[in-house]
Amino acid sequence: GAGVSQSPSNKVTEKGKDVELRCDPISGHTALYWYRQSLGQGLEFLIYFQGNSAPDKSGLPSDRFSAERTGGSVSTLTIQRTQQEDSAVYLCASSQGSYNSPLHFGNGTRLTVT
Amino acid sequence: AQTVTQSQPEMSVQEAETVTLSCTYDTSESDYYLFWYKQPPSRQMILVIRQEAYKQQNATENRFSVNFQKAAKSFSLKISDSQLGDAAMYFCAYRTLYSGGGADGLTFGKGTHLIIQP
Repeated sequence: GAGVSQSPSNKVTEKGKDVELRCDPISGHTALYWYRQSLGQGLEFLIYFQGNSAPDKSGLPSDRFSAERTGGSVSTLTIQRTQQEDSAVYLCASSQGSYNSPLHFGNGTRLTVT
Repeated sequence: AQTVTQSQPEMSVQEAETVTLSCTYDTSESDYYLFWYKQPPSRQMILVIRQEAYKQQNATENRFSVNFQKAAKSFSLKISDSQLGDAAMYFCAYRTLYSGGGADGLTFGKGTHLIIQP
């Protein structure tokens, strides 16, 4: 079946604009993660959704960042008033939610703020 | 919270040789899961291998195997007969059983960049 799909693949925006990044998880996966990866760096946790539970937003770096997951499926990460330091690859992953379930990642969205 | 350390920012190996990537972690838990992920230039992270802490037998997937030393809190990845397609960033990850999958639940190392010399 289809894997995790992210769109757009690349996004260039001007400083101060808002952007929306989309993630379509694998059907049936209850857990969904957003990570940020700066150039050549590791993964920075942003937010985690699990079923109908309240999301873990502890990784969001500022109140300019928000995310929602509608109907337990598609997720949107929104960055308001983008700054140059927001430039990075944003990775989405989903899993079946159990402890030993591996994450299935999308190809990421490369965001460039000019 | 747990920490995962990958002490080798970059490794280089000749094609067809064997290479070992190191990963150590810090935890007080007795049960947990460990993963190795590969990230090629395409950006998509791919699961390479996983290990359950309560299993003493080291996991193996074709040319990839781990050396899991629970007492030493070490989880190294061995790649045998290295191929050009193995060139990628490799990330080690720790999954606790005592939290959800958020900030405290899943911890990644900073990665090792593996270069394959033809």
